[in-house]
Amino acid sequence: KAGVTQTPRYLIKTRGQQVTLSCSPISGHRSVSWYQQTPGQGLQFLFEYFSETQRNKGNFPGRFSGRQFSNSRSEMNVSTLELGDSALYLCASSLPGSYNEQFFGPGTRLTVL
Amino acid sequence: AQSVTQLDSQVPVFEEAPVELRCNYSSSVSVYLFWYVQYPNQGLQLLLKYLSGSTLVESINGFEAEFNKSQTSFHLRKPSVHISDTAEYFCAVSDPGTGGFKTIFGAGTRLFVKA
Repeated sequence: KAGVTQTPRYLIKTRGQQVTLSCSPISGHRSVSWYQQTPGQGLQFLFEYFSETQRNKGNFPGRFSGRQFSNSRSEMNVSTLELGDSALYLCASSLPGSYNEQFFGPGTRLTVL
Repeated sequence: AQSVTQLDSQVPVFEEAPVELRCNYSSSVSVYLFWYVQYPNQGLQLLLKYLSGSTLVESINGFEAEFNKSQTSFHLRKPSVHISDTAEYFCAVSDPGTGGFKTIFGAGTRLFVKA
């Protein structure tokens, strides 16, 4: 069974631009969570989608948004990029009934210049 | 709200020595606990989990963790580490809530195994 895939793996943007990251969960997994990982703040929860609905949300500004499609694939968007948005963005999927055991993708490394 | 505390941010240890990475969580009626490992430039991988039953759980590569309800701890141990165990380790608790299970991660412990 294929794992969680994330595209692109690396991205370089400039301040003020916007970016869209994509995540394809493991087949059959309906929950997709997004995390931001930085050396200073560690792993921070962005949001979780289940069956195309945002079910949980972390403490990030409205510039961070996401969505989930009917095939469970998910995208997250960051508008008006800031230098502090440079981070590894991780996507994880989980099965219903698994107590949210998470399967992670390799991440997208975003650098904002 | 649930919280997870990993008491050590970095743990240096010599190869073949034992290691313990400490994790404490805030109390809850039901708790489901996980350890994840992250190798450089990769995502996190599940190492082991406690959902119910035996309080001692083991991974395929020699790590074990013990759920201690009275001390609200889930420490990770390995009797003899290898260079390849160098990685960052995250303790996590899955908390049932009205919006479905939410996973809370600790800040991570960087294990550095020296030759």
